Amino acid sequence: AQKVTQAQTEISVVEKEDVTLDCVYETRDTTYYLFWYKQPPSGELVFLIRRNSFDEQNEISGRYSWNFQKSTSSFNFTITASQVVDSAVYFCALSEPLIKAAGNKLTFGGGTRVLVKP
Amino acid sequence: DAGVTQSPTHLIKTRGQHVTLRCSPISGHKSVSWYQQVLGQGPQFIFQYYEKEERGRGNFPDRFSARQFPNYSSELNVNALLLGDSALYLCASSLAGRSVDEQFFGPGTRLTVL
Repeated sequence: AQKVTQAQTEISVVEKEDVTLDCVYETRDTTYYLFWYKQPPSGELVFLIRRNSFDEQNEISGRYSWNFQKSTSSFNFTITASQVVDSAVYFCALSEPLIKAAGNKLTFGGGTRVLVKP
Repeated sequence: DAGVTQSPTHLIKTRGQHVTLRCSPISGHKSVSWYQQVLGQGPQFIFQYYEKEERGRGNFPDRFSARQFPNYSSELNVNALLLGDSALYLCASSLAGRSVDEQFFGPGTRLTVL
């Protein structure tokens, strides 16, 4: 079975500090997708990024950056110059095919709560 | 364009009752998935539907059932509620439910079982 581990349960930083969230995954599939979602207090999951297993290029989007390393099965996420609005729970997820053709489900990690203090 | 909508937003039930949660996907999306998120944990997969057919089911008892309608909206039903069913129930829609398709999540229905 697939598994996603986010070892950090909570991280607290002061505004403008950088924050790195760790994600380690386990899968037997050779083709898979990894995701990061943000869940603010309102509860809705907000999509941040999707990477496929063949694309190990790091990616930067504004203050967000992602480091995908297939050799260590890790997909880490960094917020640069954090802001109070970044306070939320962040989830790493792995796609897993369903038995029936073309179906897919997401396996989520336990989440990391980020608290950015002013 | 409207995002994924779910109703109701909050619900309080007592043990043994049943509950129906509703989800409307984004226009043009034909697949709906349901997830349960217990407080302090990540979401767990319950069901995926595509074109009214169940594609997969997570590790949940038969008390949980779902269906998808011709307009692609979906209902999640839970019978004989237990205290442990208290959770945020999230609905996600995607074009076809494939791994390449981004899943867009709704705001969720928070169910409290007393």
